[in-house]
Amino acid sequence: DVKVTQSSRYLVKRTGEKVFLECVQDMDHENMFWYRQDPGLGLRLIYFSYDVKMKEKGDIPEGYSVSREKKERFSLILESASTNQTSMYLCASSPLGLAGYNEQFFGPGTRLTVL
Amino acid sequence: AQRVTQPEKLLSVFKGAPVELKCNYSYSGSPELFWYVQYSRQRLQLLLRHISRESIKGFTADLNKGETSFHLKKPFAQEEDSAMYYCALSSSGGYQKVTFGTGTKLQVIP
Repeated sequence: DVKVTQSSRYLVKRTGEKVFLECVQDMDHENMFWYRQDPGLGLRLIYFSYDVKMKEKGDIPEGYSVSREKKERFSLILESASTNQTSMYLCASSPLGLAGYNEQFFGPGTRLTVL
Repeated sequence: AQRVTQPEKLLSVFKGAPVELKCNYSYSGSPELFWYVQYSRQRLQLLLRHISRESIKGFTADLNKGETSFHLKKPFAQEEDSAMYYCALSSSGGYQKVTFGTGTKLQVIP
């Protein structure tokens, strides 16, 4: 059973704080993703990584950075949190293979509130 | 650029009625398409994928390249189908970037 875990379910931070969201997967997947999920906007890709130390910008990378030092771990960093980054953050992983079979496995999500 | 459009934010149907959740896409290559579902208080999970041509929980989806659509259908809605549904497109080459639609909330009325 694929497991994707996220370090926190709920997080409350203050404007300007540096925030770390951690994601760990245990299925040796090459690809990892960070999304934010907002009502009416669906899932929007922030960053993804297809290998250790490799990263690619998604559709809304501004205000975020990522780190992937180990294959199983993908961190999302908010350098200076702002109120418009209040959202549900979802991590996902998928194996590298035929695109039609690259099912994404999601974590439970972290609901971040920035005050 | 790849894009997925789900025109309905909310779809309400009566139990036993047919369901069709619409999905249209824009992609220059050969698309790989998926439907994901999120039940209340559960993780987002794969429902079905185009390439497998499968039926899961009574749901099917057909890729229509002429209309660039991948609508999700079920002949008879059940209360347990109430959930948030997302259509997703994966690029077929390169980094296999996945783009999700904005989602449709399906509400099945008893």
